[in-house]
Formats: sequence, C-alpha cells, structure tokens
Amino acid sequence: DAKTTQPNSMESNEEEPVHLPCNHSTISGTDYIHWYRQLPSQGPEYVIHGLTSNVNNRMASLAIAEDRKSSTLILHRATLRDAAVYYCILTGNTPLVFGKGTRLSVIA
Amino acid sequence: SQTIHQWPATLVQPVGSPLSLECTVEGTSNPNLYWYRQAAGRGLQLLFYSVGIGQISSEVPQNLSASRPQDRQFILSSKKLLLSDSGFYLCAWSQNPGRSYEQYFGPGTRLTVT
Repeated sequence: DAKTTQPNSMESNEEEPVHLPCNHSTISGTDYIHWYRQLPSQGPEYVIHGLTSNVNNRMASLAIAEDRKSSTLILHRATLRDAAVYYCILTGNTPLVFGKGTRLSVIA
Repeated sequence: SQTIHQWPATLVQPVGSPLSLECTVEGTSNPNLYWYRQAAGRGLQLLFYSVGIGQISSEVPQNLSASRPQDRQFILSSKKLLLSDSGFYLCAWSQNPGRSYEQYFGPGTRLTVT
C-alpha cells in the first residue's frame, strides 16, 4: 500500500476551522483516500473518503489536490469533541493500514 | 442498521493462560472482518482479516490465531498469553469488496496480561 505523511500533532482553537494535511506522493490511480479519527479509549471511526473530487459530509470536507498527491481534511468549526488522532489512509486494497496519524488538540 | 459487538470489554489474564475474544456483526451479510491491536501509546496494528467463512489472512507472526466459524462471527484466540499481548483489541467490518467502503470498528476489548 502507498504511504502517507501527516504532521505528528496540530492545535486549534475551539470554533475555528482546522485543516489537517496529508501527503501521498506515491498514490496510484485506483487508491481511495480515507480519513478516520480515534477518540481517546475508543476504536477509530470513519470520517470521509474520496477518489478524485472534493467531498463533503456532515462531519467534514475532503479537499483533494488535482494531482492527487496530497489531500486536506477540513473541520469547519472545531469543537472539544473533535480532539482525536486523525488518520489519512490510502486503500489500494483491503484492509486499512493505520499510520501514526495527527493528534489534534482543541483549545477552549 | 449494522451493529458490531465485542466481548468482553475488559479482561485481565495471567501469562500463559488461553485467550478467546469474540466479535459478531449484525445487519449485514458476507462482510470482511478484521482484528487489530493497539498497544499502550502505540498505533493500530492489523492482526488478521477474513473475506469469508474459514478464510483467514495473518498479517504478523505471533502466538495469536483467528477463526471465522460463521459468516458474521470472528474469534481471536491464543493458547498461551505473553506479557506483550496486552493491549486494546479491536474488531472491524467492512462491506465486501472493501476498497471504497467504510470500515466500522467495535467498542474494543482492553486486555491486560499480568
């Protein structure tokens, strides 16, 4: 599976937008880009996924670069409940392989 | 709607004892099933996955094994636990095929080997 690179940690103020970057320069044409997050003491939960076009759902937005070598998860208004580890994963084939992710801290 | 169950929620076992963790999925058929482990302060490690009854793929060599006796049942076992087996064990499922489909995780079992 192609690898992804994410910052180890990020910090955001509550009620402000958060942009979580992910680099995946070796992505193949059939790889989907998935984002999951893991809250403390819980299993990961699905956030969003996409292939080429930007995607929006009730949780977040996913912006995918035109060359697909990078993507950004956008939380429009961070809340304290969004504090978690966020994983960017490429799915060339099942199953998901989790890296270290980005630990997001939200400051009240 | 689909639901995934895991039990027990917590478990404390002595070194050398056997282990059996069970995972069941409701509301779907022929799912892909997965076992992950997360050691304290570490990332998620894929242990096993299954695309059908009796079909198990092992991702890492270890003293654990997995079985899928029924379509929506996935069992993680060990004959003799090691201290290094302590961790948070997570079962997950996805639709088959799974490339573009979401993966859903259970509540997990926190295992402490003493």
